[in-house]
Amino acid sequence: DADVTQTPRNRITKTGKRIMLECSQTKGHDRMYWYRQDPGLGLRLIYYSFDVKDINKGEISDGYSVSRQAQAKFSLSLESAIPNQTALYFCATSDWTSGGMGDTQYFGPGTRLTVL
Amino acid sequence: EDQVTQSPEALRLQEGESSSLNCSYTVSGLRGLFWYRQDPGKGPEFLFTLYSAGEEKEKERLKATLTKKESFLHITAPKPEDSATYLCAVRPAAGNKLTFGGGTRVLVKP
Repeated sequence: DADVTQTPRNRITKTGKRIMLECSQTKGHDRMYWYRQDPGLGLRLIYYSFDVKDINKGEISDGYSVSRQAQAKFSLSLESAIPNQTALYFCATSDWTSGGMGDTQYFGPGTRLTVL
Repeated sequence: EDQVTQSPEALRLQEGESSSLNCSYTVSGLRGLFWYRQDPGKGPEFLFTLYSAGEEKEKERLKATLTKKESFLHITAPKPEDSATYLCAVRPAAGNKLTFGGGTRVLVKP
């Protein structure tokens, strides 16, 4: 079984609809992240969470919200979807390594979201 | 602001034709440089982390190196299964955000 799972894998929706993307992990990591990927723009951070009580905005959080329901679950919501939110969305997890060195992020398989 | 630039954007290789991918970066203190491989429609797969200039890491036909301004991913005698997009990312000394480059799409033809 995959360590990081995302549901749904594909979603087509209409402008104005509320959408929730879900991420679950079995790696036991404390840190979870949401990214979007657009052609030519690379991966950009939307939100991140270092534990259940910690939520932080990334570089492109406008139009999105998140919920950390448990250590293993982190969901991303689009309250009112718009066409320029059409993208690939990835969840990632990491665990702080000893010595304070850069922690490695492990990515889920992604959700392809299309907003019509 | 941290910046990562990868070149070339795309690379076509014949099987067995070795080459290198470049990742140039500017960051306020480097806490880690990461290489990922991404296949179409899939999530990035972790390859390497480099922490300091002069460090090298190898995995099968891939070797990553790091200087103070750039990192190289060398692909030796590539096979068609090495075809993928390779992503580079940096983490600054202060803060927790990864900055990704745009990636290099590699196509290895048999």
